[in-house]
Amino acid sequence: DTGVSQNPRHKITKRGQNVTFRCDPISEHNRLYWYRQTLGQGPEFLTYFQNEAQLEKSRLLSDRFSAERPKGSFSTLEIQRTEQGDSAMYLCASSVGLAGGPETQYFGPGTRLLVL
Amino acid sequence: AQSVSQHNHHVILSEAASLELGCNYSYGGTVNLFWYVQYPGQHLQLLLKYFSGDPLVKGIKGFEAEFIKSKFSFNLRKPSVQWSDTAEYFCAVTEEGTSYDKVIFGPGTSLSVIP
Repeated sequence: DTGVSQNPRHKITKRGQNVTFRCDPISEHNRLYWYRQTLGQGPEFLTYFQNEAQLEKSRLLSDRFSAERPKGSFSTLEIQRTEQGDSAMYLCASSVGLAGGPETQYFGPGTRLLVL
Repeated sequence: AQSVSQHNHHVILSEAASLELGCNYSYGGTVNLFWYVQYPGQHLQLLLKYFSGDPLVKGIKGFEAEFIKSKFSFNLRKPSVQWSDTAEYFCAVTEEGTSYDKVIFGPGTSLSVIP
């Protein structure tokens, strides 16, 4: 399967702990995106990378959240000092990333986080 | 701020019934429009998209959508639904001129098809 993959698929943690999620995009895709989805809602944009550069961050991404894409391939999303309100599905998507045009984003299966 | 609304939170249909799911967006400029589907236990998949050209676009599995610019709408249709169409459907938009990459999703419509 050459689609977007995410690990872990599920994570249960206690409030105050740190968690890290990984996303592996489709191999030839230069752009990588993170979204958060809560029950009954559509995904909400968090941030995106063009290669290793983080180009846009949503106001939803508080200072407890950090995302990296060190070599322009896989990405990690870390949440420090988790809160119960962080419980959600965290989705990763990727797209080709050619300059100057709309693109289709392809989504991974997501990581479901539950903060107790 | 740009937003996407979907007319129905939950739709229940019998097999072979026709489907229309409403979607409206609130941006006045040029937009790109998408419908994504999420089958139970699976990840988001693209059903169809509109970037430019013919406002009537056809997607996978017999779905189609029509972009009506004057109504800021992009409604999804299927003439005859099947039990396997049971899923969550999301309308989404990106806006041209600012960022192609920030996809704004609607809240979703849950479709249940009764055999």
